[in-house]
Amino acid sequence: DVKVTQSSRYLVKRTGEKVFLECVQDMDHENMFWYRQDPGLGLRLIYFSYDVKMKEKGDIPEGYSVSREKKERFSLILESASTNQTSMYLCASMKGRETQYFGPGTRLLVL
Amino acid sequence: AQSVSQHNHHVILSEAASLELGCNYSYGGTVNLFWYVQYPGQHLQLLLKYFSGDPLVKGIKGFEAEFIKSKFSFNLRKPSVQWSDTAEYFCAVNAMTTDSWGKLQFGAGTQVVVTP
Repeated sequence: DVKVTQSSRYLVKRTGEKVFLECVQDMDHENMFWYRQDPGLGLRLIYFSYDVKMKEKGDIPEGYSVSREKKERFSLILESASTNQTSMYLCASMKGRETQYFGPGTRLLVL
Repeated sequence: AQSVSQHNHHVILSEAASLELGCNYSYGGTVNLFWYVQYPGQHLQLLLKYFSGDPLVKGIKGFEAEFIKSKFSFNLRKPSVQWSDTAEYFCAVNAMTTDSWGKLQFGAGTQVVVTP
């Protein structure tokens, strides 16, 4: 089975802090994704990566950056956290253009 | 930009009732279609998917979905729900363009509550 893990289930940060969310997958998938999930809005794509050191902006990249130094790891960075970034963050990985497999999510609260 | 519309935001029904959740998308070309489910406190998991072939696809836990290309729809059904089907259901579409990279466009989700 594909396993996608995220570094934290819950995170509380203060406005202005730099926040790192880590995601690791164990299936050698080339594609990885970061979404945020908000009630009534579904999942919205922040960034994705189709290879090591490659990244593309999704639908809502403002205020975020990403890093993919190794194939199995994809990090989401909030350079200066703001209260409107309070959300559930989901990481996913995918082989080719098949099925995306999701991690358990990180619920981030920015105070 | 492509969009995915789920018709109902909240559905409440009794055990043994039938369930149908609507999903429409806006892209006119080839698509891959998915339904994902998120049970309370759990991660998002795949219910079923359609890539090609028989437009009636069967998934896990007795769910099925029908792709109707002319209506741009991919509705989810279950003939008889159980309390354990209480969850949020998401429709997702991958428009098969050269630059889509397998990106998914999600609907807003439908919260389904099944009462005993």
